[in-house]
Amino acid sequence: SQQGEEDPQALSIQEGENATMNCSYKTSINNLQWYRQNSGRGLVHLILIRSNEREKHSGRLRVTLDTSKKSSSLLITASRAADTASYFCATDPHGSGNTGKLIFGQGTTLQVKP
Amino acid sequence: DVKVTQSSRYLVKRTGEKVFLECVQDMDHENMFWYRQDPGLGLRLIYFSYDVKMKEKGDIPEGYSVSREKKERFSLILESASTNQTSMYLCASKSHPTIYEQYFGPGTRLTVT
Repeated sequence: SQQGEEDPQALSIQEGENATMNCSYKTSINNLQWYRQNSGRGLVHLILIRSNEREKHSGRLRVTLDTSKKSSSLLITASRAADTASYFCATDPHGSGNTGKLIFGQGTTLQVKP
Repeated sequence: DVKVTQSSRYLVKRTGEKVFLECVQDMDHENMFWYRQDPGLGLRLIYFSYDVKMKEKGDIPEGYSVSREKKERFSLILESASTNQTSMYLCASKSHPTIYEQYFGPGTRLTVT
């Protein structure tokens, strides 16, 4: 079953603006990850935030995690046309052991207009 | 860099055919995964493997089987392809146990007619 719900499903912004996408999940997690998928390609890992962390940065990416609300957000600052892609959150649920299983959300499609 | 390759980018098969999708990773990863991706449904896990000859069902295993005879190779088999198996199939791998991110192949877009 899909744990992650992402919001919005689609987002269109101008180059230079910030893009924010949200992810909600249902069960306790070990960590939450964000991935990017360019059209028709595989997913690429962007950033991981552990359950005991509240915020993490990587370049123009900022991720927050609120375990009390079971939600996360991904902020891309100063967006570029090359950021146009689909973005997925993925949770590593408690109890998954060493399987490495992730549960993916449905994704947010971001379009950055030049 | 980790490299995950899939045998085909595009594949067209007929209903009832047996279909093999191959995935190879070059980083000695223990865990490998097969997902299918459909619009509006995100990625759904079909099967995964955490060691050679070891496999476990994911969320949607019906109509699929897998094989992992060698560590680097994980095959997805559609025993008798049906039109509702038309989808994008993604393979991924990860190291074990303290590296959490998964590395994905480019995907195989399968059309069953």
